[in-house]
Amino acid sequence: DIQMTQSPSSLSASVGDRVTITCRASQSISSYLNWYQQKPGKAPKLLIYAASSLQSGVPSRFSGSGSGTDFTLTISSLQPEDFATYYCQQSLVRGFGGGTKVEIK
Amino acid sequence: QVQLVQSGSELKKPGASVKVSCKASGYTFTSYAMNWVRQAPGQGLEWMGWINTNTGNPTYAQGFTGRFVFSLDTSVSTAYLQICSLKAEDTAVYYCARDQQWLGYNWFDPWGQGTLVTVSS
Repeated sequence: DIQMTQSPSSLSASVGDRVTITCRASQSISSYLNWYQQKPGKAPKLLIYAASSLQSGVPSRFSGSGSGTDFTLTISSLQPEDFATYYCQQSLVRGFGGGTKVEIK
Repeated sequence: QVQLVQSGSELKKPGASVKVSCKASGYTFTSYAMNWVRQAPGQGLEWMGWINTNTGNPTYAQGFTGRFVFSLDTSVSTAYLQICSLKAEDTAVYYCARDQQWLGYNWFDPWGQGTLVTVSS
């Protein structure tokens, strides 16, 4: 089984901050990595697929990078609507990371 | 537009069964596989498995064999998740999500709105 480990599990940040979330795979997954955003009481929403491709309609302040075992989701300037929980997903066997909750400082 | 609409919340007693539906619209149902994802209260996302909407062949993730059944009714573009012999720990929100593929990569988009299943005596 491929294990996905996200860090940190939670973080506090202010509007305008640059935020970085990391996701590490237990074995190489090439670029088979997606990122989702989930707000309370809502379904997850796709942000990034294939490690670095921005889903249509997603603001350009979101970006993804990495390959192999180490991946990063970056929010270049945090906006009020970005406070949410973020999940990575490896798409070889479709498992998710544990999530990172981004809270207001 | 592409949309997945799930059935409403369910309250069931332990030992009972529940069937959650996921109705697709805005695309050719049999052209995309369908996934199921569980989210227990306050917890993360767990992939349960997927069903090939062309053949009806299901694939179950570890931990979701035996009591969980994926099925289809292609005449109404609907996928179903049935859970038998319900336990308290099955209490969760269940999501369906379309499997989108491109050049060997795949991802989930869109998602249904989720169905809360509560198991309580």
